[in-house]
Amino acid sequence: AQSVTQPDIHITVSEGASLELRCNYSYGATPYLFWYVQSPGQGLQLLLKYFSGDTLVQGIKGFEAEFKRSQSSFNLRKPSVHWSDAAEYFCAVYNAGNMLTFGGGTRLMVKP
Amino acid sequence: EPEVTQTPSHQVTQMGQEVILRCVPISNHLYFYWYRQILGQKVEFLVSFYNNEISEKSEIFDDQFSVERPDGSNFTLKIRSTKLEDSAMYFCASRTLAGVRETQYFGPGTRLLVL
Repeated sequence: AQSVTQPDIHITVSEGASLELRCNYSYGATPYLFWYVQSPGQGLQLLLKYFSGDTLVQGIKGFEAEFKRSQSSFNLRKPSVHWSDAAEYFCAVYNAGNMLTFGGGTRLMVKP
Repeated sequence: EPEVTQTPSHQVTQMGQEVILRCVPISNHLYFYWYRQILGQKVEFLVSFYNNEISEKSEIFDDQFSVERPDGSNFTLKIRSTKLEDSAMYFCASRTLAGVRETQYFGPGTRLLVL
């Protein structure tokens, strides 16, 4: 069965520092991968997605992610974190059944 | 920008009561979903709905659950007799029909508390 693992439950970074959130997937075919963000009281907002082609994808709010098939990873990065980036981040994969399978989420805290 | 809306934002109910969670998907979307997230756990797929019928459902979606599109705009999730373990955040999502690659857009969620 397809699965997504986000190894880090919580991450704290200083404002202005770089960020990398890890995501590993288990999927036999070419995965369709997503990163969503959930701010307090908000729904799940799509940051970016990967279907095929260029393995480095750009998203909204200055985020990017790199698909690495050899490592079964799709890590999310941002060069300089802002306090407003504090939220929970979810990696997800489309499975064969046309539904999303989510990772457990990573809660990002930003120190001033 | 069009968005998925959900009502109510919070609902508290007694065990054994029926609840209906409401969603208004994005207007030109044709594929609808419900997911839930129990506190501290992953977001889990419940059901997908297309062309007025269930397309797929998970093991969680048992006979206590039902979905309906009662009119051209609403999409509802009914829990017939709530249990304590139904307490969760319930998310509605929708997408266009164009293809499986299309993004699912999520609503803000309904937080359900069963006492």
